[in-house]
Amino acid sequence: VKLVESGGGLVKPGGSLRLSCTCSGFTFKNVWMSWVRQAPGKGLEWVGRIQSEVDGWTEDYAAPVKGRFIISRDDSTNTTYLQLSGLKIEDTGVYYCTAWFGEMYPDYWGHGTPVTVSS
Amino acid sequence: SYELTQPSSVSVSPGQTARITCSGDVLAKKKYVRWFQQKSGQAPVLVIYKDTERPSGIPERFSGSSSGTTVTLTISGAQVEDEADYYCYSAADNIRVFGGGTKLT
Repeated sequence: VKLVESGGGLVKPGGSLRLSCTCSGFTFKNVWMSWVRQAPGKGLEWVGRIQSEVDGWTEDYAAPVKGRFIISRDDSTNTTYLQLSGLKIEDTGVYYCTAWFGEMYPDYWGHGTPVTVSS
Repeated sequence: SYELTQPSSVSVSPGQTARITCSGDVLAKKKYVRWFQQKSGQAPVLVIYKDTERPSGIPERFSGSSSGTTVTLTISGAQVEDEADYYCYSAADNIRVFGGGTKLT
């Protein structure tokens, strides 16, 4: 199982960025994909998730990002995306994607991609 | 809002047993808890899922237990290499939540 995030970088407040997470080693279309972030020196924060097609591709988001971030997925390329918009300085951190196989099973994480929001 | 509360730090000598607690009303919703280990500068690693299960490759000294609205990660015979931040994680309705993290020294 492998998850590789990309797309992080430096962006100005109010700007946008799209993160990608390309996966391999499992049947991507059956798995719920989540994003978790970590501000510098802080703890882990769940950002949101997108369910699988069979579960309706339902999206859920944490309150601080709802309405600004959008999670999507492309099952044909085994990739999930996190579209960040209306970025704030407090959105700075490392963003991890995770593959969720259900409560009864372990999940898997990527190594993260850094996002810096600064003027 | 849903919250999971962990002690900010726990300190033990090598070979001793380390216990890290995680509590919150959300745990009464009977959702399973996960524990993650994060060493400095590294991505988190899952050490316990489904309250008590260890993923492949995680040493047996790591164990989890649950009682009411408190879950506990126990490291029996803690090793120097276990020094890290530990986070509990659970779910409530459609939201997922992490504890604030515990620094194990």
